[in-house]
Amino acid sequence: QVTLKESGPGILQPSQTLSLTCTFSGFSLSTYGMGVGWIRQPSGKGLEWLANIWWDDDKYYNPSLKNRLTISKDTSNNQAFLKITNVDTADTATYYCARLRITRGYVMDAWGQGASVTVSS
Amino acid sequence: DVVLTQTPPTLSATIGQSVSISCRSSQSLLDSDGDTYLNWLLQRPGQSPQLLIYSVSNLESGVPNRFSGSGSETDFTLKISGVEAEDLGVYYCMQATHAPLTFGSGTKLEIK
Repeated sequence: QVTLKESGPGILQPSQTLSLTCTFSGFSLSTYGMGVGWIRQPSGKGLEWLANIWWDDDKYYNPSLKNRLTISKDTSNNQAFLKITNVDTADTATYYCARLRITRGYVMDAWGQGASVTVSS
Repeated sequence: DVVLTQTPPTLSATIGQSVSISCRSSQSLLDSDGDTYLNWLLQRPGQSPQLLIYSVSNLESGVPNRFSGSGSETDFTLKISGVEAEDLGVYYCMQATHAPLTFGSGTKLEIK
């Protein structure tokens, strides 16, 4: 069974750096074809893809936020991370991590429960 | 970026009714490898999204076969043949053909 769980600071101030952790089980990020993606959702709004990291350490970012994003992984501890620098109130959202699986392209086939992040002074 | 336009924004259905949701893309989603990377997800109230269909018409494991997907190039449809109470929530289409990956704005399914 694949499970993922996001963790983060909950609340932070503008201009700070947001650090998120995705702790997962049921798969390994050292296995061919596996990856973890980050997606966010402001309250009551739609989904925005942020970044992906793959088993071979390939990384992809949403260009609209690319200069602010850093994705990384710790394969031995089954974790993936996302950092967003210089946050603003517009970064207030629920942040999800999802497992990526290569199959006819790739899919996000398992999602975490989400971590709520509020940026406020 | 590819813009995915979903219609209708809201859908109200009775149990057992069949419904369809449209997703139109601002560009063809046919990849150079011949496949089309358009997926459908469902986000039930208070829950995280879940994958229903990938590559237009492939049912994800464990998803009931009352869900089906069709379409090509820029026009795609998700059909639910016989809505059940557990189907309420927001449906999103998502494309992975062109970077960056983008989502539609969602269609909210309500049960009458």
